Amino acid sequence: GQNIDQPTEMTATEGAIVQINCTYQTSGFNGLFWYQQHAGEAPTFLSYNVLDGLEEKGRFSSFLSRSKGYSYLLLKELQMKDSASYLCAVKDSNYQLIWGAGTKLIIKP
Amino acid sequence: SAVISQKPSRDICQRGTSLTIQCQVDSQVTMMFWYRQQPGQSLTLIATANQGSEATYESGFVIDKFPISRPNLTFSTLTVSNMSPEDSSIYLCSVAGSGSASGADEQYFGPGTRLTVT
Repeated sequence: GQNIDQPTEMTATEGAIVQINCTYQTSGFNGLFWYQQHAGEAPTFLSYNVLDGLEEKGRFSSFLSRSKGYSYLLLKELQMKDSASYLCAVKDSNYQLIWGAGTKLIIKP
Repeated sequence: SAVISQKPSRDICQRGTSLTIQCQVDSQVTMMFWYRQQPGQSLTLIATANQGSEATYESGFVIDKFPISRPNLTFSTLTVSNMSPEDSSIYLCSVAGSGSASGADEQYFGPGTRLTVT
């Protein structure tokens, strides 16, 4: 079966750095996505990785290792507004998006 | 990115009734999807709305319960039929294939419809 694993919840301090991991087992791979979802709102697109390596976008970076079925989202200089759920999703061989359950990130002052 | 609107934003409905949710996009898109999200959980794909043909449903979802229309490339509806309290959820419209700059063909989501069935 297809499976995406993320930690359920993480806590970090304002101004610090946090890394949210995602491991996946899917039938084929056509890219990995990270989305941010604030409580009561729709998910918003953060990043996309299809090749191995690090993609940097401001305070957020996303890393992919296809051989290990692994990705992480790195958030730097954390702000209170970064408190949200972060969803990992993989596009499989049929270009279907398989969603992880999401990681709830709590930022403390 | 596409701008997506959904109507209604929320509703409280009685058991046994039906509700139709509308999704409007400000540009033509190839793919439109309908998701359900239970509180505190991730997204579950209900179906892919196909323009000019029947929707493609995921395992566990059937047309009689969730009829979908897609008359053109900017509009779709999802009906939740013969509702029960188990249908209480957030229903999200999503689109892809509008020529994203990233090349990822990422999906964009509407604001969602919060449905409560009593």
